[in-house]
Amino acid sequence: EIVLTQSPATLSLSPGERATLSCGASQSVSSSYLAWYQQKPGLAPRLLIYDASSRATGIPDRFSGSGSGTDFTLTISRLEPEDFAVYYCQQYGSSPPITFGQGTRLEIK
Amino acid sequence: QVQLVESGGGLVKPGGSLRLSCAASGFTFSDYYMSWIRQAPGKGLEWVSYISSSGSTIYYADSVKGRFTISRDNAKNSLYLQMNSLRAEDTAVYYCARVAMVHLHFDYWGQGTLVTVSS
Repeated sequence: EIVLTQSPATLSLSPGERATLSCGASQSVSSSYLAWYQQKPGLAPRLLIYDASSRATGIPDRFSGSGSGTDFTLTISRLEPEDFAVYYCQQYGSSPPITFGQGTRLEIK
Repeated sequence: QVQLVESGGGLVKPGGSLRLSCAASGFTFSDYYMSWIRQAPGKGLEWVSYISSSGSTIYYADSVKGRFTISRDNAKNSLYLQMNSLRAEDTAVYYCARVAMVHLHFDYWGQGTLVTVSS
């Protein structure tokens, strides 16, 4: 089973700043089969990025994903007020089982 | 538009059973793999199970294997999760999610249904 570790656990930034969220895998994620989701309180997760760097339908271009192997990054270029949420990475390169990271909380500074 | 609506959650005693349903609309249900994912209160996401478009391929997380059964009825555009021998640690919001056409990520999610296992 591939274990995903997200860092930092909490990130405190201001609107307009750049956010960099990391996701490390315990072993290489084949074919960069990694996704990122955003979750706001009381709501279901929303797909942001798949295949490490492809934006999902309707996702603003301030969101970008990068990485390969065991190290992946989600970058939000300029934070908008609606971007403050919890972010999860998920791997599907070696499944089952499908695994998620424990999440990074992005909070307003 | 794609809609996934879960139902069937509630309060159940340890050792009890519950059946969740997910009604799908806005897409050709029989073309897609489907999955259940859960989230314990205040915790992260945990994949539970997925089923292929025809129902011929099914996988479970080790934590639910032998206790939960996923199924689907393509004629009714519905996904199900039969949960038996429930434990306190199964308490969570259960989400139904559509698996993206090519790879095993989740492009649409339902709003979730809460299952509480407590005496």
